[in-house]
Amino acid sequence: GDSVTQMEGPVTLSEEAFLTINCTYTATGYPSLFWYVQYPGEGLQLLLKATKADDKGSNKGFEATYRKETTSFHLEKGSVQVSDSAVYFCALSDRSDYKLSFGAGTTVTVRA
Amino acid sequence: EAGVAQSPRYKIIEKRQSVAFWCNPISGHATLYWYQQILGQGPKLLIQFQNNGVVDDSQLPKDRFSAERLKGVDSTLKIQPAKLEDSAVYLCASSWTSDMNGNEQFFGPGTRLTVL
Repeated sequence: GDSVTQMEGPVTLSEEAFLTINCTYTATGYPSLFWYVQYPGEGLQLLLKATKADDKGSNKGFEATYRKETTSFHLEKGSVQVSDSAVYFCALSDRSDYKLSFGAGTTVTVRA
Repeated sequence: EAGVAQSPRYKIIEKRQSVAFWCNPISGHATLYWYQQILGQGPKLLIQFQNNGVVDDSQLPKDRFSAERLKGVDSTLKIQPAKLEDSAVYLCASSWTSDMNGNEQFFGPGTRLTVL
């Protein structure tokens, strides 16, 4: 079945550091790919998405590129802020049934 | 636009007791999902509704879990009787349809259940 594997945390960074969270997937077809973010005390929010190979999703300074050849969708941000402290989830949606499959999540803490 | 509402936010019960969670999706969203998120794991889909019909409940432990979505709007998820391993956050999400391109789901804040 479809699955998502993402980098284990927790990740602790200083403000203005570069952030990368690795995500790879296994799917039989051509899924849509997502990054969701969960801020403390809040629900999951869609951060960005990509629906086909080579698409780049971007939002709030975060970017991720759909790499079909490496089955990856790594999340990057060039300069993190304290407000980026959250749990980040990589997910895929299979086009046959559109169900979301999530990775285990990566906790990111940014220190001032 | 109001988001997905869930209540209660927290619940503590003893094993073998019953518990119910409520979800009110975003107005106009036809598809509603219930997820279980165990600590340290990603959310796992329990059940999906399209309007008031069940689309997928293959991961729902039907011997103890039940869910309904009367009138195709609000939904309740019930656990009876609860086990220790049911301790988790229960997330409700909704989307316009189940076949929307990109399938963007909007999540509620969740209900944190602790079973003692």
